[in-house]
Amino acid sequence: DTGVSQDPRHKITKRGQNVTFRCDPISEHNRLYWYRQTLGQGPEFLTYFQNEAQLEKSRLLSDRFSAERPKGSFSTLEIQRTEQGDSAMYLCASSLGIQDTQYFGPGTRLTVL
Amino acid sequence: QKEVEQDPGPLSVPEGAIVSLNCTYSNSAFQYFMWYRQYSRKGPELLMYTYSSGNKEDGRFTAQVDKSSKYISLFIRDSQPSDSATYLCAMSAGLYSIKLVFGAGTILRVKS
Repeated sequence: DTGVSQDPRHKITKRGQNVTFRCDPISEHNRLYWYRQTLGQGPEFLTYFQNEAQLEKSRLLSDRFSAERPKGSFSTLEIQRTEQGDSAMYLCASSLGIQDTQYFGPGTRLTVL
Repeated sequence: QKEVEQDPGPLSVPEGAIVSLNCTYSNSAFQYFMWYRQYSRKGPELLMYTYSSGNKEDGRFTAQVDKSSKYISLFIRDSQPSDSATYLCAMSAGLYSIKLVFGAGTILRVKS
């Protein structure tokens, strides 16, 4: 399977814990995006990487959130001191060029108890 | 008011029906329009991609964009139970815009 992959698929954590998600984009896609989707809503943009550079961050990405893409390959999204409001599906997408369509991974569903 | 409005449904139709899904938007800068299909607990899957106004057809799916009315549509012909999913419209502005703005999604149920 050469699509976007995400790990883990599900994560249950207690409030105040730190969590980290991983995204592996489609090979050769140099653009990578993170979105958050809550129940009954469409995905909302969080941040964007071109190769290893993080070029844009949404206001939704508070100081507790950090994303990295070392060496321009896979990316990680870390949430520190999780809150119940962080419960959502975290989606990763990648594209080849800036005008190319974004292909989404299966998402990581986070539940904060 | 949200930039992209989409009726959440659910929309329930019999198998074989023609389905019409719609979104309206307020940002006149949007030029790229997409429809994604999302099955329960899965990531969105791209169905159709359209630039500017006009129609685009792909098999049983037809996407229409009317920029003058800020209105986009997706038509599904001969709907099948396997089409049951949430349909998300998405759009982005100019050449160097990277952020997709999504509607809330319409839940479609096709009954056999």
